[in-house]
Amino acid sequence: DTGVSQDPRHKITKRGQNVTFRCDPISEHNRLYWYRQTLGQGPEFLTYFQNEAQLEKSRLLSDRFSAERPKGSFSTLEIQRTEQGDSAMYLCASSLSFGEQYFGPGTRLTVT
Amino acid sequence: DAKTTQPPSMDCAEGRAANLPCNHSTISGNEYVYWYRQIHSQGPQYIIHGLKNNETNEMASLIITEDRKSSTLILPHATLRDTAVYYCIVRVSGETSGSRLTFGEGTQLTVNP
Repeated sequence: DTGVSQDPRHKITKRGQNVTFRCDPISEHNRLYWYRQTLGQGPEFLTYFQNEAQLEKSRLLSDRFSAERPKGSFSTLEIQRTEQGDSAMYLCASSLSFGEQYFGPGTRLTVT
Repeated sequence: DAKTTQPPSMDCAEGRAANLPCNHSTISGNEYVYWYRQIHSQGPQYIIHGLKNNETNEMASLIITEDRKSSTLILPHATLRDTAVYYCIVRVSGETSGSRLTFGEGTQLTVNP
């Protein structure tokens, strides 16, 4: 257990529905990251926050995806109008500014 | 960040040392070598990182060649629980560092009893 928690651990949804995932980072960590991982591939970066500011977004983060970190603590990742291609493991990580990233257990999304 | 090349899979006998190679021939002077591993169905786990000197912690040792174009992660006494995908990542670290970790496909290490 790294101290990063994610909720839910598993989510099954129907195509076209909206889903929201939550990540609680290690409490003193000011950076929070979201990654996506599909079967057989390494994780791919989506976005990151420093405190409450979203500083970088990947091209993978289409306009159906939105992430927030309202008070610089927990973060949410919302996917609107889900598609089957969104099925993946969504990983959250946190770090101190210059430090190693510690990953949560992930949320596995299945879109049917 | 520089690209890395790793073998897709390796096997190791339990109790023996596991030596996982990584090539990063285009590494820049300010880029560090990081190693993470991912046990099945879990998030990646940080193992170790280094710039040019060899590093050791409670999990592993990292040997970086003098020209920094390759490195080896050493698990001194592999156990069945070390079976995982191991990722070698090169990135800048420090105040001006980029944010992302760029994962390749890694090496699937299987430790056999």
